[in-house]
Amino acid sequence: QKEVEQNSGPLSVPEGAIASLNCTYSDRGSQSFFWYRQYSGKSPELIMFIYSNGDKEDGRFTAQLNKASQYVSLLIRDSQPSDSATYLCAVFSPQFYFGTGTSLTVIP
Amino acid sequence: DTGVSQNPRHKITKRGQNVTFRCDPISEHNRLYWYRQTLGQGPEFLTYFQNEAQLEKSRLLSDRFSAERPKGSFSTLEIQRTEQGDSAMYLCASNPAGGYEQYFGPGTRLTVT
Repeated sequence: QKEVEQNSGPLSVPEGAIASLNCTYSDRGSQSFFWYRQYSGKSPELIMFIYSNGDKEDGRFTAQLNKASQYVSLLIRDSQPSDSATYLCAVFSPQFYFGTGTSLTVIP
Repeated sequence: DTGVSQNPRHKITKRGQNVTFRCDPISEHNRLYWYRQTLGQGPEFLTYFQNEAQLEKSRLLSDRFSAERPKGSFSTLEIQRTEQGDSAMYLCASNPAGGYEQYFGPGTRLTVT
């Protein structure tokens, strides 16, 4: 059984701080990694994807991938209250496997 | 392009009834996926299509579930003889050929009473 593990949280950070979300996966052959944001009662929204080791930045978001450690993370800089949501990590291997999500609360 | 659409958005049905959901993917996206999500869990893979071909179906999916994508465009998911355990959000997602970035529809929330 291929697994994607995330800390369920909740994770609370003050407004303006950096939020760090972590994810580990079990299938060493996985090649594609995704972060989704999901607001309560809504469907997941793709915010980042990364395929290669290292960092990928998009605005306030940075995805980090370490295939040797089977670890992918998401950093949110200058966190805003509107970032409060559940963040889902997903791995394509060769179908999509999702973690249970980490609940993030940004405190004004 | 308005994104992935799903209908209905909400469905309440009595146990034992059949229900059918529809998904319209982003145009020219040849891959279409169905997921089920319950509270506190991530989306759980059900099945996926490449064009009109159903290429994979979860072993967790009972025979009461069936999906079609007859012309390689929209897809339907049918649940026969619904049970209370079927209550969940049913999500559809699509991605283009050669790309793995999936885009989700708004989902259909099913409540079985």
